[in-house]
Amino acid sequence: KQEVTQIPAALSVPEGENLVLNCSFTDSAIYNLQWFRQDPGKGLTSLLLIQSSQREQTSGRLNASLDKSSGRSTLYIAASQPGDSATYLCAALRNNNDMRFGAGTRLTVKP
Amino acid sequence: NAGVTQTPKFQVLKTGQSMTLQCAQDMNHEYMSWYRQDPGMGLRLIHYSVGAGITDQGEVPNGYNVSRSTTEDFPLRLLSAAPSQTSVYFCASSPNPTSGSFTDTQYFGPGTRLTVL
Repeated sequence: KQEVTQIPAALSVPEGENLVLNCSFTDSAIYNLQWFRQDPGKGLTSLLLIQSSQREQTSGRLNASLDKSSGRSTLYIAASQPGDSATYLCAALRNNNDMRFGAGTRLTVKP
Repeated sequence: NAGVTQTPKFQVLKTGQSMTLQCAQDMNHEYMSWYRQDPGMGLRLIHYSVGAGITDQGEVPNGYNVSRSTTEDFPLRLLSAAPSQTSVYFCASSPNPTSGSFTDTQYFGPGTRLTVL
């Protein structure tokens, strides 16, 4: 059974700081791993998707890495801004169309 | 495109009542799914469909039914609501999550907040 864990559960940083969010998964037989952003009371917005054959993906100030052998993914946010405040979720897709989510990291970026 | 739409946004039910949560997408996506989100537990997959006429169970299917008569619509039915089904429900769609395309992200609806008394 796939278990996805995100650490820390909550993080507060001053504006401008670089930060790393962590995601670990127990079953390395994944098809891809996605990072999502969720604003309060809203749905999820996909940020980055990493296929199992890839090591990382970048979009603007965001960089996500994937290490299947160790069951880990990280989301790196450079030069954080107050607008980055949200909950960030990672999700691992298994080959049977089953996607398992972590509980998320709630990020607060203080001006 | 409207993307993924869900109705209603909020709903309060009494134990034992039935209802249908509606989900529609206008992107001609093959894959649609339903999740529930509970505090501290992330999202859990309830049911999914890889195309019209095809549905399958996810991680937490008990108490829920689905059907997929068209590509666009994927309703979720609660036959006899229970307090344990109080949650926020999200519908999502994608072209096909295992097709190998780098753009096969999932698109989520805004959610339905359900309370069962």
